[in-house]
Amino acid sequence: GDSVTQTEGPVTVSESESLIINCTYSATSIAYPNLFWYVRYPGEGLQLLLKVITAGQKGSSRGFEATYNKETTSFHLQKASVQESDSAVYYCALNYNQGKLIFGQGTKLSIKP
Amino acid sequence: GPKVLQIPSHQIIDMGQMVTLNCDPVSNHLYFYWYKQILGQQMEFLVNFYNGKVMEKSKLFKDQFSVERPDGSYFTLKIQPTALEDSAVYFCASSFLQDTQYFGPGTRLLVL
Repeated sequence: GDSVTQTEGPVTVSESESLIINCTYSATSIAYPNLFWYVRYPGEGLQLLLKVITAGQKGSSRGFEATYNKETTSFHLQKASVQESDSAVYYCALNYNQGKLIFGQGTKLSIKP
Repeated sequence: GPKVLQIPSHQIIDMGQMVTLNCDPVSNHLYFYWYKQILGQQMEFLVNFYNGKVMEKSKLFKDQFSVERPDGSYFTLKIQPTALEDSAVYFCASSFLQDTQYFGPGTRLLVL
């Protein structure tokens, strides 16, 4: 079936360092699903960080980027220089077929000041 | 951004009782979803709902579960009767079309 696998947390990065959270997917129901990164900041609800619906395209938001790579079935999240406010749990997800989302397990990110 | 509200934020009930979880979706949205997350596990799709009907449900959506949105009010998830394994955080989401879903903060349900 369809699945999403991401970097197992928790992940700790020093402020101003670079970040990569890996995400790979397996989509058996449709060749090119839509891909998402959602984020949950402490005490808040899940919110969309970025999405890409076309293979080969890059999405970006708040300094984060992710490129839809259909060859490697990956959608890694990257940021060149993290800030303390980026501490959160990040979820990679895919959808197709009437919109249900399939989530990865989440990666808890902590930023060291 | 658009806000989805969920009521209550926490609920503790005894096994076998009925519980109703309420979701106030974004006002012009047409598609509604429930997801379940057991502590330490992935968030998993339960059901989606459009135009008064269930569109798709997962194997987690047991016969004891039901959803409705009477007259455009709250989108509700009812569990009757509850079981111990229903303890989880339940997230509601809504979308205008089948695109970006906006999530509520979740209802933490504990079945004793």
